[in-house]
Amino acid sequence: EPEVTQTPSHQVTQMGQEVILRCVPISNHLYFYWYRQILGQKVEFLVSFYNNEISEKSEIFDDQFSVERPDGSNFTLKIRSTKLEDSAMYFCASTGTLGEQYFGPGTRLTVT
Amino acid sequence: AQSVTQLGSHVSVSEGALVLLRCNYSSSVPPYLFWYVQYPNQGLQLLLKYTTGATLVKGINGFEAEFKKSETSFHLTKPSAHMSDAAEYFCAVSSTGGGNKLTFGTGTQLKVEL
Repeated sequence: EPEVTQTPSHQVTQMGQEVILRCVPISNHLYFYWYRQILGQKVEFLVSFYNNEISEKSEIFDDQFSVERPDGSNFTLKIRSTKLEDSAMYFCASTGTLGEQYFGPGTRLTVT
Repeated sequence: AQSVTQLGSHVSVSEGALVLLRCNYSSSVPPYLFWYVQYPNQGLQLLLKYTTGATLVKGINGFEAEFKKSETSFHLTKPSAHMSDAAEYFCAVSSTGGGNKLTFGTGTQLKVEL
């Protein structure tokens, strides 16, 4: 069964450093998303991506965040200068045309 | 704007008892509704979804949910709880069609006791 994969599973970084979180969506899906979940809180939408451009972004997704689909399979989230409050679980998701989003296992980002 | 309210951040049931997890939504357009389950240290797994058609939807692991437009609800039920059902459950709403973001509720932690 096809699935969304994410790497790394856990990333530890120092405040101010850049991180890139990687995702491989399901191959025939068209829409891609990033969500985050701060420990003990609900899952929050960050950004959606379709046809090689951002289709929607939340208030959380400020200038320090960017997304890219560098090739036909990967989808990345870059945080330019990490802050302590960026520590969270980051989930990638993808969907076809029916609105049913499939989530990856997540990357736990710890900023120290 | 869309929102989801999950009543009860923690629910505890006995093994074999009925599971009822409550979800109410707010949406200005016809919604798509979803329930996801998250086991400890794992990602989100889709349990079931409502898009159009039959308002009673069945999902994996014996769960089902009923879309009630008049009550703006989408409660999740399972007739008989199993120990393996212990997890966090999230209700989510999106606009109809593909490509729309999910708005999640705050989640309900289900505990199953012997």
